Amino acid sequence: DAGITQSPRYKITETGRQVTLMCHQTWSHSYMFWYRQDLGHGLRLIYYSAAADITDKGEVPDGYVVSRSKTENFPLTLESATRSQTSVYFCASSTSGRDYNEQFFGPGTRLTVL
Amino acid sequence: AQSVTQLGSHVSVSEGALVLLRCNYSSSVPPYLFWYVQYPNQGLQLLLKYTSAATLVKGINGFEAEFKKSETSFHLTKPSAHMSDAAEYFCAVMPPVLSGGSNYKLTFGKGTLLTVNP
Repeated sequence: DAGITQSPRYKITETGRQVTLMCHQTWSHSYMFWYRQDLGHGLRLIYYSAAADITDKGEVPDGYVVSRSKTENFPLTLESATRSQTSVYFCASSTSGRDYNEQFFGPGTRLTVL
Repeated sequence: AQSVTQLGSHVSVSEGALVLLRCNYSSSVPPYLFWYVQYPNQGLQLLLKYTSAATLVKGINGFEAEFKKSETSFHLTKPSAHMSDAAEYFCAVMPPVLSGGSNYKLTFGKGTLLTVNP
């Protein structure tokens, strides 16, 4: 399917476990982003990537790891999940070339850490 | 640093009434501004964006927003609400590259939940 997809859509895990959230886009967009959405906080940027093998921290990176070996994939890993990481996670992508490009969002992954 | 304030976490209107969702930004230079909509259990979808070409911006689904530099505002309006407009709306800001910003970092407001009553 064309567009941006996330998997899984729902995930329940336990404290201390490693969890990887997947993000895949078919547009060959240069930029990709991970956000978390929490009640009362809106969306906060976790990590972003300007191209394959180029990643950088956002506003709330602690406890998360990302990689981007291929342009179309941008997985987010919680190395040792904590209850405070219970949230809805959104992946997004955008093109480069202009400084006001629209970000396209995936459907989200709802993660619960018990 | 850029920031966005959305006044009112919850707005309730009757079907057919005017929709007004408020957004104020804080920035040393006029930024780029966006409104996104999120329907239940979905990702965010762009409604409209201000990129300095025109102060009155028209978006999808009959929404529009006006950039007012003197008031540092970018309020979202729709003349007549439909039941299908019920969703959460997010205002977001991005600093221009020439001001030292980046072309990717969006800062979001906390969102406004719009309820439309029949």
